[in-house]
Amino acid sequence: ETGVTQTPRHLVMGMTNKKSLKCEQHLGHNAMYWYKQSAKKPLELMFVYNFKEQTENNSVPSRFSPECPNSSHLFLHLHTLQPEDSALYLCASSQVGQGLNYGYTFGSGTRLTVV
Amino acid sequence: GQQLNQSPQSMFIQEGEDVSMNCTSSSIFNTWLWYKQDPGEGPVLLIALYKAGELTSNGRLTAQFGITRKDSFLNISASIPSDVGIYFCAGQLGKGRDDKIIFGKGTRLHILP
Repeated sequence: ETGVTQTPRHLVMGMTNKKSLKCEQHLGHNAMYWYKQSAKKPLELMFVYNFKEQTENNSVPSRFSPECPNSSHLFLHLHTLQPEDSALYLCASSQVGQGLNYGYTFGSGTRLTVV
Repeated sequence: GQQLNQSPQSMFIQEGEDVSMNCTSSSIFNTWLWYKQDPGEGPVLLIALYKAGELTSNGRLTAQFGITRKDSFLNISASIPSDVGIYFCAGQLGKGRDDKIIFGKGTRLHILP
């Protein structure tokens, strides 16, 4: 496996379910991110982890709970979601702390539908 | 907070036409990045720019880092059907460990049959 891998690619869940999104990066990067992309809206940064420490939480509701057990893995735990949470959830990774920023490498995303 | 103004929001062009899109900001950026997102996929980095005035090409794509460091443009020459998608500009304000990348709202490119 190379790059950033997200599973599952598609997820349909009820409002009372609990599910988790998984992201794994094989690039040796030290930072990982969760983004939400809704239809016709810009990319919304949700969480940032640098060196496994959460450094940013962009006022995300508590029904979204991130977990970063090591620098290669990132999870997004979901519970009691609302229909408006339906979106494409993108994971990204990057190498921070060096002179040049080579940008983020994104996964293919998880298309989440809340019913 | 810092914002990137990306335009146009969408474009409808004929195959073979050239395309131009740009991003502007009131803030000075140290790095400009251009991404493309195909339907159902994550964004993929096309071009990265690191110095004011820098002009970089990647095949039919050319991007420039504006001299004022507050803008950047992306040109696509002789468009083909696989160019369809959403193009995002992104900028980084600093070079520090915690300097995030800020994304524009995207330009959606449509190619008419």
